[in-house]
Amino acid sequence: AQKITQTQPGMFVQEKEAVTLDCTYDTSDPSYGLFWYKQPSSGEMIFLIYQGSYDQQNATEGRYSLNFQKARKSANLVISASQLGDSAMYFCAMREGPDNQGGKLIFGQGTELSVKP
Amino acid sequence: GAVVSQHPSRVICKSGTSVKIECRSLDFQATTMFWYRQFPKQSLMLMATSNEGSKATYEQGVEKDKFLINHASLTLSTLTVTSAHPEDSSFYICSARSRVTSPLHFGNGTRLTVT
Repeated sequence: AQKITQTQPGMFVQEKEAVTLDCTYDTSDPSYGLFWYKQPSSGEMIFLIYQGSYDQQNATEGRYSLNFQKARKSANLVISASQLGDSAMYFCAMREGPDNQGGKLIFGQGTELSVKP
Repeated sequence: GAVVSQHPSRVICKSGTSVKIECRSLDFQATTMFWYRQFPKQSLMLMATSNEGSKATYEQGVEKDKFLINHASLTLSTLTVTSAHPEDSSFYICSARSRVTSPLHFGNGTRLTVT
């Protein structure tokens, strides 16, 4: 079974508007971490935002925020005020186990975001 | 921020030859590095976890004799694709963590083409 699911293969958004990229996860481990990465066409993976399973508040980093709904096992990425440079693949990832064990990341299928001028 | 350097960025080789890809953490010590493989428009699939000074841990279905991983120092891990076949053509990307609690930092990837 998929541990990380991104159901939107592709998304379009108008420049300056907000967009939400969906991510659901499946784990029985009470301690885990959720990550979002951006991959432009050049291929590098850029870390965007992190949410720990015990974090009380939703993570925010600039224009990025993570809508963490633990009971629903969802960790959606919200990008506010989209820019043309936001066009890229976006991957949700999960690390099972406590933070201090440095576990591996498992990635979702990705969502290709296209920002229209 | 933490920088991971991967080399080469692109390589073309003939079937049957071996190719070595290097992954270096430039400004931090990485006790653990991870190697991923990515096909076009697909997700990153973890191949193996590389621990400094010990044998790599391979994911199920990954041939350890074909994909040799060496993590000889705290700043360098190498992936060698042995006896390459055209189906090994892919994007290989490494990652490293500076501390166990920090996010993974990725190299820029290596696009391997086997002819």
